[in-house]
Amino acid sequence: GDSVTQMEGPVTLSEEAFLTINCTYTATGYPSLFWYVQYPGEGLQLLLKATKADDKGSNKGFEATYRKETTSFHLEKGSVQVSDSAVYFCALSDLISNFGNEKLTFGTGTRLTIIP
Amino acid sequence: ETGVTQSPTHLIKTRGQQVTLRCSSQSGHNTVSWYQQALGQGPQFIFQYYREEENGRGNFPPRFSGLQFPNYSSELNVNALELDDSALYLCASSFRGGSTDTQYFGPGTRLTVL
Repeated sequence: GDSVTQMEGPVTLSEEAFLTINCTYTATGYPSLFWYVQYPGEGLQLLLKATKADDKGSNKGFEATYRKETTSFHLEKGSVQVSDSAVYFCALSDLISNFGNEKLTFGTGTRLTIIP
Repeated sequence: ETGVTQSPTHLIKTRGQQVTLRCSSQSGHNTVSWYQQALGQGPQFIFQYYREEENGRGNFPPRFSGLQFPNYSSELNVNALELDDSALYLCASSFRGGSTDTQYFGPGTRLTVL
């Protein structure tokens, strides 16, 4: 089945550093791709998404580009802040067989800590 | 616009007991999906409900069951609880029938099985 492989964590950066969290996927079709963020003790918040190849999703200074040729959707931010400390999950939409609707398949998450 | 809400926030049960978790979908959404997130892991798909019927299930045994109500809210029931059922249970709602069915998550219910 479809799967997502995410950069192992934890990742620790200084404030204002450049961030990259790698995400690659395996899929038989052309899924939509997502980044979700989870702050301590909370549920998942949608950070950004891309629905087709070469689309760029962006939100709150974060960006990710859907690269079909490399099956990747790496998350980047030019200058991180302490408030960006959280766990980041890469996910893809995966058809539920026989039903035609979609579920999400997640990576294992990358814990990001930003030091002042 | 009201977001996805879940209740209770936390729950402690003992092995063998049964539990019911509740989810209210975001207004305008007609589909609810449930996920289990074990500590340090990504969420795993349990099942999805649309038009009050189960529309797909992940690799979870039948003791995990659910319901969807006419107002699109949903319940997740787990019978014969096991220690490994301890996890954060996340509900996500979406609208099926539009150009995208992006899922929006609630805050989760933390279940501890002793």
